[in-house]
Amino acid sequence: DGGITQSPKYLFRKEGQNVTLSCEQNLNHDAMYWYRQDPGQGLRLIYYSQIVNDFQKGDIAEGYSVSREKKESFPLTVTSAQKNPTAFYLCASSTGTGQETQYFGPGTRLLVL
Amino acid sequence: GEDVEQSLFLSVREGDSSVINCTYTDSSSTYLYWYKQEPGAGLQLLTYIFSNMDMKQDQRLTVLLNKKDKHLSLRIADTQTGDSAIYFCAESINLVDNDMRFGAGTRLTVKP
Repeated sequence: DGGITQSPKYLFRKEGQNVTLSCEQNLNHDAMYWYRQDPGQGLRLIYYSQIVNDFQKGDIAEGYSVSREKKESFPLTVTSAQKNPTAFYLCASSTGTGQETQYFGPGTRLLVL
Repeated sequence: GEDVEQSLFLSVREGDSSVINCTYTDSSSTYLYWYKQEPGAGLQLLTYIFSNMDMKQDQRLTVLLNKKDKHLSLRIADTQTGDSAIYFCAESINLVDNDMRFGAGTRLTVKP
């Protein structure tokens, strides 16, 4: 089945530690996105990539990094510079033509110990 | 900046209709969306409407758009307990997907 997957479902981070959230899609989509969701707030865009080996910062990129070495994969690293990383992280993908909307993964909940 | 606003909570009885409202500020919004998020899950696209439409119906869901007032609503007929979730309104200012803006979400609780 085609879809977009994220792993793990829950992730724990210690102070000062970097952690990487996985996002994979087999929809042959060119564009991929990372969002952060906090309680009572809408989604906020962290990073997005419209093509392999290229990505742009979103609204809240500080403390995060990404890579896009493969079309299918768009991992997000939450660095120790991100002072408030506890949130629900959603990955999405789209064909990138602008004619349709995004498909979302199931999300990863990151908790700081 | 441009905002998308929704009320945070809505509670209805099973079998009643639910109406979730959304307002947006950017008059150039082209696409307007409704997403559903169940606990611990990602967003699921329910429906979307182009700004040149007034209404779109899909089974139990009816979307109404008042472009003049920048008001979007989602009506769920015969609401079931399985409809309990958070519903997000979103807009695209243009045809580029990375320009989507989301509201904070409305938590719908359906009581038996």
